Amino acid sequence: DIQMTQSPSTLSASVGDRVTITCRASESFSTWLAWYQQKPGKAPKLLIYKASKLQSGVPSRFSASGSGTEFTLTISSLQLDDLGTYYCQQFHTYPWTFGHGTKVEIK
Amino acid sequence: EVQLLESGGILVQPGGSLRLSCAASGFSFSSYAMSWVRQAPGKGLDWVSTLSGPGGSTYYSDSVKGRFTISRDNSKNTLYLQMSSLRVEDTAVYYCAKVDFGKYALDVWGQGTLVTVSS
Repeated sequence: DIQMTQSPSTLSASVGDRVTITCRASESFSTWLAWYQQKPGKAPKLLIYKASKLQSGVPSRFSASGSGTEFTLTISSLQLDDLGTYYCQQFHTYPWTFGHGTKVEIK
Repeated sequence: EVQLLESGGILVQPGGSLRLSCAASGFSFSSYAMSWVRQAPGKGLDWVSTLSGPGGSTYYSDSVKGRFTISRDNSKNTLYLQMSSLRVEDTAVYYCAKVDFGKYALDVWGQGTLVTVSS
């Protein structure tokens, strides 16, 4: 199985800060990776697909990049609404696997 | 509007069985693969199973293989997860999600249904 390791596990930043979340895969693959945001008590929401494509309706302050074994999600200017937990997920092979999540807190 | 609505989650004893349903609307259900993803209390997301659209191929995580069965009724626009030999560690919110293989992503999620396995 492909293991997805996210870092950091928790991130505390101020409104307006630039934040970056990293997802590392135990095996190399192309761009079959998605990022999700989950707010407390809610279902996950798709933010990014194919490693760098912004899902329709997602604010442009979110961006992502990467291929191979290292992928990143960046929020260019953190907003209060960005509070939540962020997950990466690989679609390269079954079983599809998620990272353990990065909890984003607002200082 | 594209929507997924799960139901069927309850409290069940270890060893018991349960069937979850996911009613889909707002898209051509039969054309899309569908998945189940679960989340244990306070934990992260855990992919459970995927059922392809036209081909009907099924995929399971090792933790549920042989105990859970994913299926669909395209005439009712409904996805199912038949769960048997339930264990305490199956306790979780179960989400159904639409698979977009053009995007390689789960692009629409339901609100989830809670399954509690406890004596």
